[in-house]
Amino acid sequence: AQTVTQSQPEMSVQEAETVTLSCTYDTSENNYYLFWYKQPPSRQMILVIRQEAYKQQNATENRFSVNFQKAAKSFSLKISDSQLGDTAMYFCAFMTYNNNDMRFGAGTRLTVKP
Amino acid sequence: NAGVTQTPKFRILKIGQSMTLQCTQDMNHNYMYWYRQDPGMGLKLIYYSVGAGITDKGEVPNGYNVSRSTTEDFPLRLELAAPSQTSVYFCASSYRGEKLFFGSGTQLSVL
Repeated sequence: AQTVTQSQPEMSVQEAETVTLSCTYDTSENNYYLFWYKQPPSRQMILVIRQEAYKQQNATENRFSVNFQKAAKSFSLKISDSQLGDTAMYFCAFMTYNNNDMRFGAGTRLTVKP
Repeated sequence: NAGVTQTPKFRILKIGQSMTLQCTQDMNHNYMYWYRQDPGMGLKLIYYSVGAGITDKGEVPNGYNVSRSTTEDFPLRLELAAPSQTSVYFCASSYRGEKLFFGSGTQLSVL
């Protein structure tokens, strides 16, 4: 069974600084997707970034980038130039190509301090 | 663009009552999902559907039922509500099963 582990229940960062959120996963599959979702207090689930396992290049979306280490089964999220609006729960998620069961980690609560 | 619409946004049920959570999407997505999110936890898949007339169980299906008679709608039925079903419920849809679009959630309390 696939599992996703986020070992940091809470983190904080000063505005304009950089923070990295950790995620590890366990799978025997070779083809899969990895995701980071943001959930602000509004409760809406917002896709931040997506990585396909066959791509060696790390995905980037503006201030958000990932460090994907396939052999280590690690998928960390780096947020650069943190903004107050980045305050939210962040969930790491995993899904194989042919399985519709997206597995989520327990989340990391990030607070950006002014 | 409406996207994925869930109703109601909040609901309180008494133990043993039943209700249906509604979900509709206007993106012509084949894939639709129901997740629950318990306090302080990630989302867990209850049921999913890959097209009209096709549904399948996820990780936590007990106590729930679904149907998919149209591409747009994917209602979730709770029979005999129990306190353990107190949670936030999210409906989601996707085109090919990878990028999910989520509704805004339904906060359900069973007392």
